[in-house]
Amino acid sequence: TAGITQAPTSQILAAGRSMTLRCTQDMRHNAMYWYRQDLGLGLRLIHYSNTAGTTGKGEVPDGYSVSRANTDDFPLTLASAVPSQTSVYFCASSSGDTDTQYFGPGTRLTVL
Amino acid sequence: SQKIEQNSEALNIQEGKTATLTCNYTNYSPAYLQWYRQDPGRGPVFLLLIRENEKEKRKERLKVTFDTTLKQSLFHITASQPADSATYLCALVMDTGRRALTFGSGTRLQVQP
Repeated sequence: TAGITQAPTSQILAAGRSMTLRCTQDMRHNAMYWYRQDLGLGLRLIHYSNTAGTTGKGEVPDGYSVSRANTDDFPLTLASAVPSQTSVYFCASSSGDTDTQYFGPGTRLTVL
Repeated sequence: SQKIEQNSEALNIQEGKTATLTCNYTNYSPAYLQWYRQDPGRGPVFLLLIRENEKEKRKERLKVTFDTTLKQSLFHITASQPADSATYLCALVMDTGRRALTFGSGTRLQVQP
């Protein structure tokens, strides 16, 4: 199985443009997450979804939105990108009672 | 505020030695704590989970301890190898409503041959 896939692998985006980062899992996990990872700051939670049809805000949600129309997909949208959103974005999923997470390969986003 | 800290940003050791990484947390009593490995350019990969009622957990050359009184977990890699070089992250659920993990900033381990 593929586990979690993310697209694109990397992207350079002009400030003010919108973009959707895609995330798909084939493990039928109920919960999915979006993190950003920046040097010195570690992984920070942007948004999460405990089950299809529900979403919630994480630690750093401003400037981002998510949707969870089905179990497998959890896209992250930047409505109007700013340079401070330059980062590596990781999608993850989990199931069970221990919240062990399975991560995708990441999307490296540069906003100029 | 709740915090999770990994004391060392980087750790360099010689091949064959035991690496010991530290994770401390404050203002919380987690039911379990997890350790992940992250290689450059890749997402974190789950290694071990230890529950609050477990003092120690082992997996091959890995050993994790969990002291809920000290609010500390230690992660040991015995007989370390250059292939163990990576960043190691500890994580726990600090907000049971979100069921999402809060990660430490990681310790970058370099094992010298």
